[in-house]
Amino acid sequence: GAVVSQHPSWVICKSGTSVKIECRSLDFQATTMFWYRQFPKQSLMLMATSNEGSKATYEQGVEKDKFLINHASLTLSTLTVTSAHPEDSSFYICSARLTRGGVSNQPQHFGDGTRLSIL
Amino acid sequence: LAKTTQPISMDSYEGQEVNITCSHNNIATNDYITWYQQFPSQGPRFIIQGYKTKVTNEVASLFIPADRKSSTLSLPRVSLSDTAVYYCLVGGYNTDKLIFGTGTRLQVFP
Repeated sequence: GAVVSQHPSWVICKSGTSVKIECRSLDFQATTMFWYRQFPKQSLMLMATSNEGSKATYEQGVEKDKFLINHASLTLSTLTVTSAHPEDSSFYICSARLTRGGVSNQPQHFGDGTRLSIL
Repeated sequence: LAKTTQPISMDSYEGQEVNITCSHNNIATNDYITWYQQFPSQGPRFIIQGYKTKVTNEVASLFIPADRKSSTLSLPRVSLSDTAVYYCLVGGYNTDKLIFGTGTRLQVFP
């Protein structure tokens, strides 16, 4: 089945540093990938839609300069949390879906998430 | 995007059948219904997807009435390892964006 891989799975860093998270679709191409964040005991919150070869679309309230998204190929999207602070600590999850010809009824497949802890 | 409503939590015992119902009154004609399972510190895992009537796979069944305003995920003979949060989502054929609701936290007891 479709596999989405995230790296790293866990990262701890000091306040003020930038952290890059990678999301790869391993056995399929995805023109669109999605980034979510999840706080403890809460549901997933969509942050942005990552579009291959174009700018990402951010949800309301999500700072685009804070969360930089790059979707340089059909199998890779990256999320960079810039100048991270403790309040950015969260569980970040990406998803992707096989798309053919711009349409798809295939389900989205999710990565296993990245636990980000900012000290 | 259709909003979904599910029970916040459910309890069951091993070996029982569990049915989780989701309401999606504003579902659009081209929306599919998809269920995911999530364990702590993991990404959601696809369980089943359907458009209408009944869909069955090796782990679950999905029942969708004719008006499609609700759906029921059926887990046969649950085990302790089925303790997780279950999310119901609706999304269109051409709409990739998925908005997660609260999900249902299922606790299975021995």
